[in-house]
Amino acid sequence: DQQVKQNSPSLSVQEGRISILNCDYTNSMFDYFLWYKKYPAEGPTFLISISSIKDKNEDGRFTVFLNKSAKHLSLHIVPSQPGDSAVYFCAATPGPDKLIFGTGTRLQVFP
Amino acid sequence: DVKVTQSSRYLVKRTGEKVFLECVQDMDHENMFWYRQDPGLGLRLIYFSYDVKMKEKGDIPEGYSVSREKKERFSLILESASTNQTSMYLCASSPGQGIQYFGAGTRLSVL
Repeated sequence: DQQVKQNSPSLSVQEGRISILNCDYTNSMFDYFLWYKKYPAEGPTFLISISSIKDKNEDGRFTVFLNKSAKHLSLHIVPSQPGDSAVYFCAATPGPDKLIFGTGTRLQVFP
Repeated sequence: DVKVTQSSRYLVKRTGEKVFLECVQDMDHENMFWYRQDPGLGLRLIYFSYDVKMKEKGDIPEGYSVSREKKERFSLILESASTNQTSMYLCASSPGQGIQYFGAGTRLSVL
């Protein structure tokens, strides 16, 4: 059973606009959430995270929002750039060690 | 910068062969992980290790084993490779605070 779900396998956004990637989870014990970005032929790289005690975390063009009651988090990228084109994975952890990953969303930013 | 190095970028093996995938990290991290990435399935945890000579099964350990004789090195072993083990294999290390650092991956093809 998939505990972390990314229901949109792909997303296409024009350069300069906002990209919104969504993630849902089922386990209310998850207390820390992360987003990773993955380019082809490279390993995933950490992008941004949020603790369950917060509802928003911002880092430059990237903002993660957490809605605990809905068990939903989202990643906003604004403005989107062509270099943001990659696969984005959300992940969750009930503790400091294991991560449970979603299936990924492929973002394409076109000029 | 954290560096996680996987010994091979591409491997081609035959069914029934014993396969070793090697991973080395240079940050003295306690925790190391092996995942496989398949289209539409995201990253799935095979095995992980919290310390030298310690190992824990992940979500899909069948057909795999691991070895951690030194803190910096974590090996994934396919005892008898099968075609359904054709995949991208990703190694990661972590200091235990949720964020994991990934290698570039090994794309394994089993013929």
